[in-house]
Amino acid sequence: DSGVTQTPKHLITATGQRVTLRCSPRSGDLSVYWYQQSLDQGLQFLIQYYNGEERAKGNILERFSAQQFPDLHSELNLSSLELGDSALYFCASSVDGISNQPQHFGDGTRLSIL
Amino acid sequence: AQSVAQPEDQVNVAEGNPLTVKCTYSVSGNPYLFWYVQYPNRGLQFLLKYITGDNLVKGSYGFEAEFNKSQTSFHLKKPSALVSDSALYFCAGVDSGGYQKVTFGTGTKLQVIP
Repeated sequence: DSGVTQTPKHLITATGQRVTLRCSPRSGDLSVYWYQQSLDQGLQFLIQYYNGEERAKGNILERFSAQQFPDLHSELNLSSLELGDSALYFCASSVDGISNQPQHFGDGTRLSIL
Repeated sequence: AQSVAQPEDQVNVAEGNPLTVKCTYSVSGNPYLFWYVQYPNRGLQFLLKYITGDNLVKGSYGFEAEFNKSQTSFHLKKPSALVSDSALYFCAGVDSGGYQKVTFGTGTKLQVIP
């Protein structure tokens, strides 16, 4: 058990809808990362937060947004959903986001767009 | 720009035989390198990392990796493969220092044949 909790585990919705994915980092970790994993794109880094502030941005679409709250949990919001957004979305956390630290991953949210 | 390559989509090895999963990297400075393993329907789990020092790094579950600066490689190895080692393996790397984002390879599926 990594200590990172992601909810929900599965999400099925329709095109054009909006969803929110939630992540609670490992106790003591201040940095949160979001990734998208799909068969054709592999593991894509989306965004990183540290103690409530955005630290790094990757291949995140404008339709997607995220935030980290004062209690350090994070949410990833996906809007105007398209079929191609179907994927596994992972959250990971690390102590303070320095690049020499390993990341600890949750078990992901599987998003299916119908 | 930094990059990490895993040249083999799949590696098959007989149980009890040694295994190697290959990774090469391209970073502008001294790299931090990581190996993660992903089992079906689970998040990535940290196996080991190279930061500096000894070129042979030992990690979890009997895995080790050898850092080779001249060949820009960081291959994952295990002396004797187990069927339970069958999983998806990701190499990851980052240019050392600060808070730069980690780049993941495309993953290598390891199949250990009984």
